[in-house]
Amino acid sequence: DAKTTQPNSMESNEEEPVHLPCNHSTISGTDYIHWYRQLPSQGPEYVIHGLTSNVNNRMASLAIAEDRKSSTLILHRATLRDAAVYYCILGSGSARQLTFGSGTQLTVLP
Amino acid sequence: NAGVTQTPKFRVLKTGQSMTLLCAQDMNHEYMYWYRQDPGMGLRLIHYSVGEGTTAKGEVPDGYNVSRLKKQNFLLGLESAAPSQTSVYFCASRYSGRGSYEQYFGPGTRLTVT
Repeated sequence: DAKTTQPNSMESNEEEPVHLPCNHSTISGTDYIHWYRQLPSQGPEYVIHGLTSNVNNRMASLAIAEDRKSSTLILHRATLRDAAVYYCILGSGSARQLTFGSGTQLTVLP
Repeated sequence: NAGVTQTPKFRVLKTGQSMTLLCAQDMNHEYMYWYRQDPGMGLRLIHYSVGEGTTAKGEVPDGYNVSRLKKQNFLLGLESAAPSQTSVYFCASRYSGRGSYEQYFGPGTRLTVT
């Protein structure tokens, strides 16, 4: 399975944008890029996913490099509630399961 | 909709005891999953099911059994609990339709085996 590499931790100031990077140099052509986050003491929740084009939804934006070997999750205006572990996961379109790595712990400073 | 619910929320077992964790979803999802999460780690897949009456092994299946007798329920059993099974257990479900990739997670069951 293709692997992802994320920084262990990042900090951001409240109300500022946050860019969370993910490297996936061995991504295959059919792999989607999924992002989940896990708030303290909760189960993970879906954030966004994409294949080739940049994607936006109400929670975040996903910027995918042209060669697809890296991607960035963008939180446009961090709030204290966004403090969580963010997981970048690869999975093919037909994949029935996702493999979670250790993710990036985002700390939001007031 | 309640989404994905898990029973119980907390449990303490002695080594060798057995128990069953129940996951229920009311979204009519075909796929269901059981994960475990150890402190400071990501989630690891134990077993999953792609439909009623079917189950498959995930990354760490040893020591666990599962059953999916009804579409809305997915049970995880520990026949003889060991301290290494102390963990937080998450259940998830997902629609199987094309283009649908979002997994919905339950709140977790915190299990301690002494």
